[in-house]
Amino acid sequence: QKEVEQNSGPLSVPEGAIASLNCTYSDRGSQSFFWYRQYSGKSPELIMFIYSNGDKEDGRFTAQLNKASQYVSLLIRDSQPSDSATYLCAVNPGGIQGAQKLVFGQGTRLTINP
Amino acid sequence: GAVVSQHPSWVICKSGTSVKIECRSLDFQATTMFWYRQFPKQSLMLMATSNEGSKATYEQGVEKDKFLINHASLTLSTLTVTSAHPEDSSFYICSARVTGGFTEAFFGQGTRLTVV
Repeated sequence: QKEVEQNSGPLSVPEGAIASLNCTYSDRGSQSFFWYRQYSGKSPELIMFIYSNGDKEDGRFTAQLNKASQYVSLLIRDSQPSDSATYLCAVNPGGIQGAQKLVFGQGTRLTINP
Repeated sequence: GAVVSQHPSWVICKSGTSVKIECRSLDFQATTMFWYRQFPKQSLMLMATSNEGSKATYEQGVEKDKFLINHASLTLSTLTVTSAHPEDSSFYICSARVTGGFTEAFFGQGTRLTVV
């Protein structure tokens, strides 16, 4: 079993709709969780991080964490064509808060259709 | 956010030669930097953790004698791919974490290495 799993997609969403990206992780001791966006040929850029169970909102983005289910998700509201990218879920499995050693999922390719 | 600069952005080298990639934290000190490798359509795989003033910690399966890491200052880490071969062609990305306290890691822009 992979440490961090994501559906590789592609996930197609119409413009203006909500895009929902999901991620599960295997290390129950993980404490910090990150969502990165990566455009083709570019390095990842951080969108959000979350440590506590529940929701965390930042603009059009909402991260959701459920440690009991070992599940973290990212919602993108009012999706725009510029949101089309690969979204990487990353987990710090060490049990120490902060971006120490990150384990990445394989990424979900998201396409927003105009 | 903090800025991490990686150089070069791309490099083409002949098989058997060595290539050095630099990772600099421009506006903060980074005790720890991380080196990742990403093959096409795959995710980032951590290669090694670079610690200022000490030896790097390599992930399982990564040859430390082939991928030499030097973290001589709080703002610079280098990765040297020695005796490069075509299978080493990949996208190499570094990230750096601000020293002290919590913060996320910031990524450099990546280096596309092509070995011919």
